[in-house]
Amino acid sequence: DTAVSQTPKYLVTQMGNDKSIKCEQNLGHDTMYWYKQDSKKFLKIMFSYNNKELIINETVPNRFSPKSPDKAHLNLHINSLELGDSAVYFCASRGVQETQYFGPGTRLLVL
Amino acid sequence: GDSVTQMEGPVTLSEEAFLTINCTYTATGYPSLFWYVQYPGEGLQLLLKATKADDKGSNKGFEATYRKETTSFHLEKGSVQVSDSAVYFCALPPMNSGYSTLTFGKGTMLLVSP
Repeated sequence: DTAVSQTPKYLVTQMGNDKSIKCEQNLGHDTMYWYKQDSKKFLKIMFSYNNKELIINETVPNRFSPKSPDKAHLNLHINSLELGDSAVYFCASRGVQETQYFGPGTRLLVL
Repeated sequence: GDSVTQMEGPVTLSEEAFLTINCTYTATGYPSLFWYVQYPGEGLQLLLKATKADDKGSNKGFEATYRKETTSFHLEKGSVQVSDSAVYFCALPPMNSGYSTLTFGKGTMLLVSP
């Protein structure tokens, strides 16, 4: 009965490749997010979707493209991966009283 | 704009020591306040929250009191355990709900040794 799940948990790939990360939540929430966490644990919001519509699109390279096929899913596709994209990517959904529920993270390493 | 400032880590303690992690915020009005915890290799999870001034949030032996006079929400625990080793994030929501996300502090790493 996982609330927010992400796949894969680990992703190791070469520079220039294209990869996708998938996220699913079974909490019935309307709003979902993608965050990037760097090696110093700093969290940066990348995107927010509400009921399949893009709401927040922070200053993120356009190599990153989110997609929400339905309100329970928010995927992240990354084109032409660069070394600086190495990080942990978290998906989250928003519940009542602004509480956010995070997935376990996807550890991306670009070689 | 809204902001959250946390003390820098790492905070290194021995088991059973007293813990304080400072958090101050800048916001319009009186938002709810949160502490999230991230255990090694995991995602963030809500530790505790307070929804109005003078409220005390508590969970797993941790406490934090919402102090509007000092715009602070310091996290405390009387006796830490090795299993408390984690990164702790203070956060506040946008004043107007909308669809904005939480504003997180930079995180404070806690290392507890036996």
